[in-house]
Amino acid sequence: AQSVTQLGSHVSVSEGALVLLRCNYSSSVPPYLFWYVQYPNQGLQLLLKYTTGATLVKGINGFEAEFKKSETSFHLTKPSAHMSDAAEYFCAVSDNFGNEKLTFGTGTRLTIIP
Amino acid sequence: EAQVTQNPRYLITVTGKKLTVTCSQNMNHEYMSWYRQDPGLGLRQIYYSMNVEVTDKGDVPEGYKVSRKEKRNFPLILESPSPNQTSLYFCASSFGGRIGSPLHFGNGTRLTVT
Repeated sequence: AQSVTQLGSHVSVSEGALVLLRCNYSSSVPPYLFWYVQYPNQGLQLLLKYTTGATLVKGINGFEAEFKKSETSFHLTKPSAHMSDAAEYFCAVSDNFGNEKLTFGTGTRLTIIP
Repeated sequence: EAQVTQNPRYLITVTGKKLTVTCSQNMNHEYMSWYRQDPGLGLRQIYYSMNVEVTDKGDVPEGYKVSRKEKRNFPLILESPSPNQTSLYFCASSFGGRIGSPLHFGNGTRLTVT
């Protein structure tokens, strides 16, 4: 069975500061990993994903994440926070058997301080 | 425009009154799924469908039904709603069988059962 743990249900950073959202996963097989973002009153949108190959993955809006197998982590970062980054962020994992089942973390709400 | 459309966006009903939340996608996706989102619990999968006439239970299927008679539609049915089904519901779709294909989400349906 696969699972995802997101450390910190709420994270606040100042505008222009580094954003770091933590995600650790558990999977019995090599995982596929995703970060989704949810803006108020909207559905989730894909930020980035890791399937195979390069472990540093770049996504939209300047976000990136690094897959670290030894640490079973897939933390999301952005060098400089912008007010528009305020949203809820979800890490998700799926196995690589192509059955499309995603297991989501509980989410991290990011607040940007002006 | 490629999208997943859910209706209604908001729904208030009473215990025991059958309701249907509709979901339609225009991307010719094979895979469709329903999730519910609750504070502190993230997104949990209710049911999913790998293709027409093929549906299966997710993690929290009790009290829900689905059908997939056409590729584009995947309605969620609550035969006898109860207050513990008050939640935010999301429909999502993707290209089934394509490993790592991202989910596309609708904008959600906020259901209140009194």
